[in-house]
Amino acid sequence: SQQGEEDPQALSIQEGENATMNCSYKTSINNLQWYRQNSGRGLVHLILIRSNEREKHSGRLRVTLDTSKKSSSLLITASRAADTASYFCATAFLGNDYKLSFGAGTTVTVRA
Amino acid sequence: NAGVTQTPKFRVLKTGQSMTLLCAQDMNHEYMYWYRQDPGMGLRLIHYSVGEGTTAKGEVPDGYNVSRLKKQNFLLGLESAAPSQTSVYFCASGRGNHNEQFFGPGTRLTVL
Repeated sequence: SQQGEEDPQALSIQEGENATMNCSYKTSINNLQWYRQNSGRGLVHLILIRSNEREKHSGRLRVTLDTSKKSSSLLITASRAADTASYFCATAFLGNDYKLSFGAGTTVTVRA
Repeated sequence: NAGVTQTPKFRVLKTGQSMTLLCAQDMNHEYMYWYRQDPGMGLRLIHYSVGEGTTAKGEVPDGYNVSRLKKQNFLLGLESAAPSQTSVYFCASGRGNHNEQFFGPGTRLTVL
């Protein structure tokens, strides 16, 4: 499978703490994207990082990409209860123009 | 702007029954996708379309058919439902070329 794989599967943190999750993949990519899914809802795009980028920020989100290790990480700083959700990485593989491959996700619970 | 909408939100079928799920988008996107989401397995691509009048198979196409008669609509059909098709179905649209995808709220289907 070409899917990205997230680690850990689940994460529980206290409000105000940082949350870090990782994604590994197997073949060369065009870009890697992170999505959030709140319970019972559709996925929402958070951030896209291209293969020639190493780090990207968006508000309290920081994404890194290491193409030599075929891995990415998503850091959520100063977490809030509203950050409770599942987070998915999606990889856009070279030569696969129209499709994204999604991992199984990391479920993050932020405790008040 | 409604974004991506899906109907129905919930449905219960008996084995062997047929149904059609409707997806509509108002963002003038060329590309549309149907995914299924099962616990612990992330999203798997069923079928996709790169433009009006075109469709293509994804990762798990068996038992499903699709049609894209109008640019804004993408229909997913189950001709003879099976319990293995119990899942949450998500439609998405996008500009293609590895860009972000926009998701609908999902349809929860149970096949008894």
